[in-house]
Amino acid sequence: QQQVKQSPQSLIVQKGGISIINCAYENTAFDYFPWYQQFPGKGPALLIAIRPDVSEKKEGRFTISFNKSAKQFSLHIMDSQPGDSATYFCAAGDISNFGNEKLTFGTGTRLTIIP
Amino acid sequence: DGGITQSPKYLFRKEGQNVTLSCEQNLNHDAMYWYRQDPGQGLRLIYYSQIVNDFQKGDIAEGYSVSREKKESFPLTVTSAQKNPTAFYLCASSPSSRGRTEAFFGQGTRLTVV
Repeated sequence: QQQVKQSPQSLIVQKGGISIINCAYENTAFDYFPWYQQFPGKGPALLIAIRPDVSEKKEGRFTISFNKSAKQFSLHIMDSQPGDSATYFCAAGDISNFGNEKLTFGTGTRLTIIP
Repeated sequence: DGGITQSPKYLFRKEGQNVTLSCEQNLNHDAMYWYRQDPGQGLRLIYYSQIVNDFQKGDIAEGYSVSREKKESFPLTVTSAQKNPTAFYLCASSPSSRGRTEAFFGQGTRLTVV
């Protein structure tokens, strides 16, 4: 019930291309879906997040698409750049349940952008 | 600057020893978390605390202990009972108020058993 499945495990995209990472969840109580970006040797940093009342959220080159009926959400990185090379984690949480807002993370996707 | 400070950055432990990882935050966040990161397994929750003097076990608490005596501090002790402690440990905090659960992470501590 708490699992968040993320794919692919690794992804290689050419500079300027679109990077797509997918996640699926099982717990229908989840109502907060963030994506984190992590560079080697550093802690993850929040990239973008979405609530289930919208199907898409865009911030610059980063877009989250959310499909509530399929219990899936994805991260799209447009015009991918070498600086985007990092590990990306999706996560899910139940923020309406006060005192139980801990996040469940996916297993991560190592993204490499090649020139 | 506000943030989360983890120390040390690298830590070496002999088998059978207990070691304590430090985590301090000045964000005035109520909730704090400890995650363990292993290659290919993402972030797994060890312990979390929503309020001072209270904490709950996460998914992989065996062999670990924590304390939350101050709002700013949430140290993690890796005990000798943890059979495979070599990993990257991440501390995080969040406001823990309704509708606000953005987690801010520290820079991590890499623990190696020698």
